Amino acid sequence: EAQVTQNPRYLITVTGKKLTVTCSQNMNHEYMSWYRQDPGLGLRQIYYSMNVEVTDKGDVPEGYKVSRKEKRNFPLILESPSPNQTSLYFCASSRLGTSGSRTGELFFGEGSRLTVL
Amino acid sequence: AQRVTQPEKLLSVFKGAPVELKCNYSYSGSPELFWYVQYSRQRLQLLLRHISRESIKGFTADLNKGETSFHLKKPFAQEEDSAMYYCALKMDDKIIFGKGTRLHILP
Repeated sequence: EAQVTQNPRYLITVTGKKLTVTCSQNMNHEYMSWYRQDPGLGLRQIYYSMNVEVTDKGDVPEGYKVSRKEKRNFPLILESPSPNQTSLYFCASSRLGTSGSRTGELFFGEGSRLTVL
Repeated sequence: AQRVTQPEKLLSVFKGAPVELKCNYSYSGSPELFWYVQYSRQRLQLLLRHISRESIKGFTADLNKGETSFHLKKPFAQEEDSAMYYCALKMDDKIIFGKGTRLHILP
């Protein structure tokens, strides 16, 4: 089954304790992206990746890191989490169109709810 | 600057009544617009895109470049339409989402 898988689905942690949220897709998509979803703010892009070893900042990258060493994986790293990073995080992937730009159909993971105390 | 505006946070509509979820965008290039939906306890999924000009689950959306709008419409609301709806704009390498509208269908 084609899907995007995120882990963990739920996590409660404390300020400053490094954590990683994993994301894996089995659709051979070139494009992957992380979003955070907050009430009243919608979905905001954190980082995205056009392909292996190619990453770029979205609208709210502060406090986050990513890596894209393999095509299928795109982990989100919080080196020193803070309470304002409490949120619902979504990973998404998409194939690139023939023109090199994304087709726009994003396939989403189920989300990871993170609470930072 | 807000590129995608969904003016209604919450829209309540009676079952059987028409639905219109508003979306306006700001983009100087050639826009590609999408509607995504998130049903309760499910992941976000694509509902429709303007280039396909199709109707999905009875919903349609027409791109109006003059008014820079991409409103989502359905003539007769159903209870299973209750969900969170996001309008999205594809800009170069990014997809920008609006803040979303929660559609609540009243029985």
